[in-house]
Amino acid sequence: DAGVIQSPRHEVTEMGQEVTLRCKPISGHDYLFWYRQTMMRGLELLIYFNNNVPIDDSGMPEDRFSAKMPNASFSTLKIQPSEPRDSAVYFCASGSGQGRTQYFGPGTRLLVL
Amino acid sequence: AQSVAQPEDQVNVAEGNPLTVKCTYSVSGNPYLFWYVQYPNRGLQFLLKYITGDNLVKGSYGFEAEFNKSQTSFHLKKPSALVSDSALYFCAVRDSGTYKYIFGTGTRLKVLA
Repeated sequence: DAGVIQSPRHEVTEMGQEVTLRCKPISGHDYLFWYRQTMMRGLELLIYFNNNVPIDDSGMPEDRFSAKMPNASFSTLKIQPSEPRDSAVYFCASGSGQGRTQYFGPGTRLLVL
Repeated sequence: AQSVAQPEDQVNVAEGNPLTVKCTYSVSGNPYLFWYVQYPNRGLQFLLKYITGDNLVKGSYGFEAEFNKSQTSFHLKKPSALVSDSALYFCAVRDSGTYKYIFGTGTRLKVLA
């Protein structure tokens, strides 16, 4: 089992650029979560999906952030335009309703200059 | 509202000594409780969970946690700490009626040789 896969692992971009983060959940999992981790705010849930449908996006900071899950094996988190305050580590996690356990990917470290 | 508290930012313990990382929670209904560990530059790794049943839950790497309903606590324990246990530990509670986790602020564990 490959676990949750995220790409890229590191991203450095300039303010105003579009950033796309990618996630492949564990096969068979029907829930997918996007989190952001910073020193100041800790671990924040941004959005989560069930069966590819967004269930709760109340944690998405503003309209610059969007997330999609076109199929059960792929999700993206997009920031457009990016700002320096978006610098953080972004984690994707997946889980199944039966197990109720979330499994995290290795994260994408984003730096916006 | 559901919440979880980790009252200690950092815990120091000597190698070979028992360790405890504290977590208290507030939920309506039956709690679903989790512990995760995060090593530097890595994602969160699942350690153990309590959903129902025995109050003493055993998990990965020799860790265990004790669910105490009267004290609303779910402390993480290990009988003999290793230097390699040094990491950031997160307690989480599942928001009732949803699949969302509410994470604590994390406790940094330092095991001294």
